[in-house]
Amino acid sequence: GQNIDQPTEMTATEGAIVQINCTYQTSGFNGLFWYQQHAGEAPTFLSYNVLDGLEEKGRFSSFLSRSKGYSYLLLKELQMKDSASYLCAVMDSNYQLIWGAGTKLIIKP
Amino acid sequence: GAVVSQHPSRVICKSGTSVKIECRSLDFQATTMFWYRQFPKQSLMLMATSNEGSKATYEQGVEKDKFLINHASLTLSTLTVTSAHPEDSSFYICSARDEQGADYEQYFGPGTRLTVT
Repeated sequence: GQNIDQPTEMTATEGAIVQINCTYQTSGFNGLFWYQQHAGEAPTFLSYNVLDGLEEKGRFSSFLSRSKGYSYLLLKELQMKDSASYLCAVMDSNYQLIWGAGTKLIIKP
Repeated sequence: GAVVSQHPSRVICKSGTSVKIECRSLDFQATTMFWYRQFPKQSLMLMATSNEGSKATYEQGVEKDKFLINHASLTLSTLTVTSAHPEDSSFYICSARDEQGADYEQYFGPGTRLTVT
């Protein structure tokens, strides 16, 4: 079957760095996405990785290792507004998104 | 960037009635749109894939006669929840795929909060 695993909840301090991991087992791979979702709102796109390596975009970076079925989202210089759920999703061979359950990130002052 | 709208953003209806939710791609054409449902503190659950000009493809366990999907044009898909019950209360989100986009990214609508009383 297809499976996406990520931690349920993480806590970090304002100004610090946090890494949210995601492991996956899917039938085929056409890229991995990270989305941010604030409570009561729709997800917003953060990053897309289809090749191995690190993609940096401002305070956010995303890493992918296809051989390990592993990705992480790195958030630097955390701000209170970064408190949200972070969803990992993999696009399978049918170009369908398979979603993880999301990681709730709590930022403390 | 690509924009997807949903209407209404919030709806309250009585049990037994039907509710229609619209999803529109505003500045791109989408042959494929997706309908998701999200219960509190849970991740998105794909309900169905809506294909312009053909029947929708429903995920296992989703009743096609209860959740009617119509993708009448390249910019509009509708989801009708028929004979709604309180357990249908949820956050319904649509997304649209820009086939001309580079990364097969799905653009999400803002969601519709359905409450069935």
